[in-house]
Amino acid sequence: ETGVTQSPTHLIKTRGQQVTLRCSSQSGHNTVSWYQQALGQGPQFIFQYYREEENGRGNFPPRFSGLQFPNYSSELNVNALELDDSALYLCASSGSTRGRNQETQYFGPGTRLLVL
Amino acid sequence: QKEVEQNSGPLSVPEGAIASLNCTYSDRGSQSFFWYRQYSGKSPELIMSIYSNGDKEDGRFTAQLNKASQYVSLLIRDSQPSDSATYLCAARNSGNTPLVFGKGTRLSVIA
Repeated sequence: ETGVTQSPTHLIKTRGQQVTLRCSSQSGHNTVSWYQQALGQGPQFIFQYYREEENGRGNFPPRFSGLQFPNYSSELNVNALELDDSALYLCASSGSTRGRNQETQYFGPGTRLLVL
Repeated sequence: QKEVEQNSGPLSVPEGAIASLNCTYSDRGSQSFFWYRQYSGKSPELIMSIYSNGDKEDGRFTAQLNKASQYVSLLIRDSQPSDSATYLCAARNSGNTPLVFGKGTRLSVIA
């Protein structure tokens, strides 16, 4: 158990719909990173939030957006869903925690999204 | 384009043998390297991190880093069927920058 939680665990949507995925970071962590993992691929970086501000973005279109809240939990929003958005969406938390390396990212269980 | 390359496998080893997983990376600025294990349908789980050239051992796992060759490896001693999973290699630059993952190597340990 990493202490990182995500909801929901599974989701089915249709093309054109919008979806919001949620992540609660590990206690003491101030950074949340989101990744998309398509079947048979490694995780691909979407964006990262540090202290409520976007702190880096991967090669994803603007319809992928996010938020981080004062308690460092985070949301990933995807608008105008496409079939290719079907994937496992992973949230990873990191940051200053006593006794741990600041850089290490710990993953939540993921949200599996299916777009029909 | 920062890339991390892994052989997709499957790599099959008999129970009790040593499994050797390899990874190369393209960005010479990479400073931190990580091995994650991912069981089917689950999220990645951190096994090892390595930052300096040489070997780092943790139980049955040994990570090896050679920055001159831009090469990272993971050795699993006394492989068990429960080690059967996909192993993801990841690299990053300094600080809390994003991880760049390989596609993973699927390991199968045969009892």
